[in-house]
Amino acid sequence: GDSVTQMEGPVTLSEEAFLTINCTYTATGYPSLFWYVQYPGEGLQLLLKATKADDKGSNKGFEATYRKETTSFHLEKGSVQVSDSAVYFCALSGTGANNLFFGTGTRLTVIP
Amino acid sequence: NAGVTQTPKFQVLKTGQSMTLQCAQDMNHNSMYWYRQDPGMGLRLIYYSASEGTTDKGEVPNGYNVSRLNKREFSLRLESAAPSQTSVYFCASSYPRWSRNEKLFFGSGTQLSVL
Repeated sequence: GDSVTQMEGPVTLSEEAFLTINCTYTATGYPSLFWYVQYPGEGLQLLLKATKADDKGSNKGFEATYRKETTSFHLEKGSVQVSDSAVYFCALSGTGANNLFFGTGTRLTVIP
Repeated sequence: NAGVTQTPKFQVLKTGQSMTLQCAQDMNHNSMYWYRQDPGMGLRLIYYSASEGTTDKGEVPNGYNVSRLNKREFSLRLESAAPSQTSVYFCASSYPRWSRNEKLFFGSGTQLSVL
């Protein structure tokens, strides 16, 4: 079945460091891919998405490229800020699916 | 803007007790969802309602019931709580009817402990 595998956390970085959070997926057909972010005490909110191969989603300095050849959707940011501290979830919606499949989440802490 | 509102935010139950988690959205969304979030497992869909008057099971429906009271409200009921239901519960909504590309709007969650 459809699934998402996300890198284990937690991840601790210094401010202005480069961030990569790995995400790979298993799906039949052509899924849509998402990154959601959960700030402390809040619900999840959509960060970015990509709906077909080679699409790049971007928002708030974060980027992720839908790579069908490597079945990946890694999240990157060139220079993280303290305000980026949160839990990041990779998610997949498969062809014909009526559900989002979420990864386990990666907690990011950015220290000044 | 309120968005998706869940109550309560925290709850402690004893095994065998019952309770209802409430969820309401003010965005005129058609579809609503209940997820649970457990450490190391991400979010899993319990039940969803694609439109007013319909409900369907998700991945982990056992031990739960839902009611789509009207377009705004979607409640989750635990009839006889078990320790395995200790989790953080999230309600979400989307518009229009769920499609592959549609984003979900989440509430801030209910932290439930069953002793």
